[in-house]
Amino acid sequence: GQSLEQPSEVTAVEGAIVQINCTYQTSGFYGLSWYQQHDGGAPTFLSYNGLDGLEETGRFSSFLSRSDSYGYLLLQELQMKDSASYFCAVRDLGGGKLIFGQGTELSVKP
Amino acid sequence: IAGITQAPTSQILAAGRRMTLRCTQDMRHNAMYWYRQDLGLGLRLIHYSNTAGTTGKGEVPDGYSVSRANTDDFPLTLASAVPSQTSVYFCASSREANQPQHFGDGTRLSIL
Repeated sequence: GQSLEQPSEVTAVEGAIVQINCTYQTSGFYGLSWYQQHDGGAPTFLSYNGLDGLEETGRFSSFLSRSDSYGYLLLQELQMKDSASYFCAVRDLGGGKLIFGQGTELSVKP
Repeated sequence: IAGITQAPTSQILAAGRRMTLRCTQDMRHNAMYWYRQDLGLGLRLIHYSNTAGTTGKGEVPDGYSVSRANTDDFPLTLASAVPSQTSVYFCASSREANQPQHFGDGTRLSIL
């Protein structure tokens, strides 16, 4: 089976950098994804790592180390609008199904 | 505007009743999914469909059924609702099974 662990809450100040970690246990691995969800609304896709290393998209970066079964989402120049829940997710053996972590609630303070 | 539409947005339902949650997408995506989201448990996959005419079971399929008669629609049916099915239900789609998923706005369902 698959399981993922990520912190339940993280707090940071506006303009700072924050890192949200995700560790996973899988019987097969087909990539790590990150999704953002504001106030219980529709989750939106942020990034995907299929191979080791860093993927950068604007202020957001995501990192993967397959040997450590570990990844993180890095948010730079934090803004108030970044306050949201962030979910890591791994692909199931079947390739299409996503298994989500329980989510990290990020609070950005002034 | 292209995207995923879920209906209803919210519903209160008596236990034992049958309920169908609707999901329609106009992006011509092949794969579609149903998740439930409960506090502290994140998103859990109920059923999925990699292409029209096929469906599969996710993590928590019991008490739910789906059909995929065409590309656009993926309804989720609760045959006899129970209070433990009180949750927020999200439908999602992706171009192919291994592509990023796009989510609808959710249906908030309360079973009394």
